[in-house]
Amino acid sequence: EAGVVQSPRYKIIEKKQPVAFWCNPISGHNTLYWYLQNLGQGPELLIRYENEEAVDDSQLPKDRFSAERLKGVDSTLKIQPAELGDSAVYLCASSFLAGDLDTQYFGPGTRLTVL
Amino acid sequence: AQTVTQSQPEMSVQEAETVTLSCTYDTSENNYYLFWYKQPPSRQMILVIRQEAYKQQNATENRFSVNFQKAAKSFSLKISDSQLGDTAMYFCAFMTPFVVTQGGSEKLVFGKGTKLTVNP
Repeated sequence: EAGVVQSPRYKIIEKKQPVAFWCNPISGHNTLYWYLQNLGQGPELLIRYENEEAVDDSQLPKDRFSAERLKGVDSTLKIQPAELGDSAVYLCASSFLAGDLDTQYFGPGTRLTVL
Repeated sequence: AQTVTQSQPEMSVQEAETVTLSCTYDTSENNYYLFWYKQPPSRQMILVIRQEAYKQQNATENRFSVNFQKAAKSFSLKISDSQLGDTAMYFCAFMTPFVVTQGGSEKLVFGKGTKLTVNP
């Protein structure tokens, strides 16, 4: 079974530029999460989707971050404009709500460097 | 708000020995899950073991086992017969599961992690 796929794995941009990350969850998983992981820290939730609905986006900085999950499968996380403090790893995870005891499976992450 | 504390930023162990990583958490919930995730230098977060709070029996997965003390809100991970491939960051995490009649955040709350090095 294929795991959670993320691209790109690495991204280097200059501040004020836009950037987008893509995530393909495990097939059949209806719940998708985006986490932010700063260096030396544990991941923190940015947004959670149930199918195509964002059910928890309270930690998403909406002035510059946006996300979408069209058709309830793939998801894209966008930052516009990027700031120096956005340098971090962006992790995507998926789970099947009420199945497999809600275990979240993570992708390899996208490491963003803002110069 | 739930919090997870890992008091050991770094630990090391000799190959084939046993090591225990500590984790404490704070919550007022009664129904929740606890997890240990491993993140090797390649960065892929991998589930090591999970524990449902309503279960009194400690979870085990091969060389990995937990000591779950609900009253003390403690959830330590024991790695037996340590292997070089166990070298990684280990994160303890907490989650309240979604229940239709009760809600629940489904949000994993992570500790800051413990960097484990297994020495040959």
